[in-house]
Amino acid sequence: SAVISQKPSRDICQRGTSLTIQCQVDSQVTMMFWYRQQPGQSLTLIATANQGSEATYESGFVIDKFPISRPNLTFSTLTVSNMSPEDSSIYLCSGGTFQETQYFGPGTRLLVL
Amino acid sequence: GENVEQHPSTLSVQEGDSAVIKCTYSDSASNYFPWYKQELGKRPQLIIDIRSNVGEKKDQRIAVTLNKTAKHFSLHITETQPEDSAVYFCAASMGNNDMRFGAGTRLTVKP
Repeated sequence: SAVISQKPSRDICQRGTSLTIQCQVDSQVTMMFWYRQQPGQSLTLIATANQGSEATYESGFVIDKFPISRPNLTFSTLTVSNMSPEDSSIYLCSGGTFQETQYFGPGTRLLVL
Repeated sequence: GENVEQHPSTLSVQEGDSAVIKCTYSDSASNYFPWYKQELGKRPQLIIDIRSNVGEKKDQRIAVTLNKTAKHFSLHITETQPEDSAVYFCAASMGNNDMRFGAGTRLTVKP
């Protein structure tokens, strides 16, 4: 199974600023994804991180707000831009091989004041 | 797109009893159905999964059943223990790993 790490683990940010979250996988994975999880809620897919090309965003999420990079098979970043308190949430990355299990990172707990 | 519904939202059982969580999905093209367990403040952890070419899978006290015709799948936990207390999520995927999650079930096992 893939081991996935994220940083930062948590952060407190001021509204209007941006935060970049990093996700590192210990082995090559075909697919990487970014999710958002509100406290006590389920996981909502933000986007699929595509290596070397633009991410594929789900309805309700846009590139200007959540730019994503994936320069290689083991690393991806998610930026939460121009933050507002509504962006306070847990952001999780996941990775897996095509048609195989997805494994999750530990999450980044974000609080926007 | 795929829509996954999960029931119940909360479930409380006595230690040693069985727990059953049910999910339905909307897209008949979905072919991969994992179950994740998430403890408070932790990441979701895969506990069992099933593919559409299999009707049932078991791993010790945990089993999953799949009814493709009815488009529903269930998680069964037998001989529950307090450490089984967590939130459980079902998910459905069409093989491209684009998973859609159910709303989650908070399971409490009372000692």
